[in-house]
Amino acid sequence: DAGVIQSPRHEVTEMGQEVTLRCKPISGHNSLFWYRQTMMRGLELLIYFNNNVPIDDSGMPEDRFSAKMPNASFSTLKIQPSEPRDSAVYFCASSPRTGGGGYTFGSGTRLTVV
Amino acid sequence: QQQVKQSPQSLIVQKGGISIINCAYENTAFDYFPWYQQFPGKGPALLIAIRPDVSEKKEGRFTISFNKSAKQFSLHIMDSQPGDSATYFCAAGGAGTALIFGKGTTLSVSS
Repeated sequence: DAGVIQSPRHEVTEMGQEVTLRCKPISGHNSLFWYRQTMMRGLELLIYFNNNVPIDDSGMPEDRFSAKMPNASFSTLKIQPSEPRDSAVYFCASSPRTGGGGYTFGSGTRLTVV
Repeated sequence: QQQVKQSPQSLIVQKGGISIINCAYENTAFDYFPWYQQFPGKGPALLIAIRPDVSEKKEGRFTISFNKSAKQFSLHIMDSQPGDSATYFCAAGGAGTALIFGKGTTLSVSS
């Protein structure tokens, strides 16, 4: 099992550019989560999907952020336009179910917006 | 989001000592309380978890103590080792809700 795969590992972009982060969950996991990690705010839930359907996007900071899950094996988190305050590590996690355990995190994407 | 409050923010412990990290939650509907361990450059990984039907769970040197009435739970690391130096996150969740994480505790174990 390759685990949760995120790409890219690092992304440096200029303010105003579009950024797309990608995630491949573990096969058979029905739930997928996007978290953002910063020193000040810790791990924040941005959005999660259950069976490819967005369930709770209340953590998405602004309309500049959007997430999709077109199929069970792929999800994207897009920021357009990006701003310096979006700089953070973005994690994707998948789980066999929403509540309870079994979360497996990817290695994260470190985003720097200059 | 429902908050999970974690303390201390950082902790320095001598090798062989006991590390204690505390968390408090608000939502009484939460029924799953895991602890995650994160090393630099890696994603968080599940360390140990507890459900509210028990007051304590032990796995090796790691123990969770759970106080349902106080809505608090804690992680105890016995015989702390330099290899335990990492960031630790508590979390809470329930059926149909995603895990909410504390802000993390950076543990340094000095040799």
